[in-house]
Amino acid sequence: QPVLTQSPSASASLGASVKLTCTLDSGHSSYAIAWHQQKPAKGPRYLMKVNSDGSHSKGDGIPDRFSGSSSGAERFLTISSLQSEDEADYYCQTWGNGRVFGGGTKLTVL
Amino acid sequence: EVQVVESGGGLVQPGGSLRLSCTASGFTFSSYTMTWVRQAPGKGLEWVSTISGSGDATYYADSVKGRFTISRDNSKNTLYVQMNSLRAEDTAIYYCAKDLKQGERFFDYWGQGTLVTVSS
Repeated sequence: QPVLTQSPSASASLGASVKLTCTLDSGHSSYAIAWHQQKPAKGPRYLMKVNSDGSHSKGDGIPDRFSGSSSGAERFLTISSLQSEDEADYYCQTWGNGRVFGGGTKLTVL
Repeated sequence: EVQVVESGGGLVQPGGSLRLSCTASGFTFSSYTMTWVRQAPGKGLEWVSTISGSGDATYYADSVKGRFTISRDNSKNTLYVQMNSLRAEDTAIYYCAKDLKQGERFFDYWGQGTLVTVSS
């Protein structure tokens, strides 16, 4: 069963960029993951799928400010030109015996 | 436009039962695997159960196995989960989610959720 590890929190200033990390355990380092955004009191929203080679495919209507990349067992979500509306929880997700989630990263926009 | 809308949540006593529904539109429902995911208050996302497009294959988290039953009615574009022997720890918002595409075990659309509270 894959294990996904995320930092509990991150922060960055309005207009800046931030890079969130999701780390796969060593036995599943080639897995693709998906990133989902969840704003307060809302259901999650699919952002993109990120493959082990760094290629990514975004969901409908996701702005160009959001991009994905990979390095080894790490999968990244980069948000550029941060806006206040980007303040949310971000979850990575993959699959094993069922679907697997990371613990989530709470992003604060300063 | 793809939409999934959950319903059926509410307050139930420990040991009680509840059935949640998820009505889908905007896509060929029978072609997609569907999943229930829950989120306890202040906590992260937890996978609950998944069902194949035809309904022939079902999968459950250990925490709900033997108590929850996932099903679907493709003629009504509706996903269900029957929850029995409910416990306080089942208190959560329950979301249904659609798979990205056949064979891709990632979600691309989520509902807004329905709240289940298990309390006496």
